[in-house]
Amino acid sequence: QSVLTQPPSASGTPGQRVTISCSGSSSNIGSNTVNWYQELPGTAPKLLINSNDQRPSGVPDRFSGSKSGTSASLAISGLQSEDEADYYCAAWDDSLNAYVFGTGTQVTVL
Amino acid sequence: VRLVDSGGGLVQPGGSLRLSCTASGFTFSRYAMSWVRQAPGKGLEWVSLITGSGGATFYVDSGKGRFTISRDNSKNTLYLHMNSLRAEDTAVYYCARASGWSYLDYWGLGTLVTVSS
Repeated sequence: QSVLTQPPSASGTPGQRVTISCSGSSSNIGSNTVNWYQELPGTAPKLLINSNDQRPSGVPDRFSGSKSGTSASLAISGLQSEDEADYYCAAWDDSLNAYVFGTGTQVTVL
Repeated sequence: VRLVDSGGGLVQPGGSLRLSCTASGFTFSRYAMSWVRQAPGKGLEWVSLITGSGGATFYVDSGKGRFTISRDNSKNTLYLHMNSLRAEDTAVYYCARASGWSYLDYWGLGTLVTVSS
């Protein structure tokens, strides 16, 4: 059972802005940085955002991350068809002494 | 950076399996490494992490006492020894490089473990 909660789905038309929330607690998001992973159909997960709001090299700037208290968000601006994927937030949990993933959000481009 | 997972297969409940992950393109011993799994149709689940020296290890609760993560820095290889396997361990297992213990920046392609009689 995941300790980070995400909406199961999100959708938008091409060009729209989509936001995905990630809710945690003081022992994970409240104490540590949040990371986001993108899983395209049939492929291995890929790091999308690290350290709350940092984009690794090669990640388009339409992806952005933020964190406030025990919650975090991933925003996709200018949604494109290739953004159809599953998105997961993740953070270290100091109480569990474990890395925890969110429940995952499936993004659909209408 | 390249990570190649291997060792998956079909195993009976109660059986054992050893997964391997061969790394290249970076100084292996300087990085912690993790295993993450994904059951069919389910989300990602972190399984285990080992520090660069191998001096500290961490496990998901369901793996404690059954899984052992280890590494051979002379061979640039990460391992996951799995014992007493259960049907619920069926998943694709990915190895990943852990940067600063905080995020997993490179992933292998995964190896499928199926636990079934």
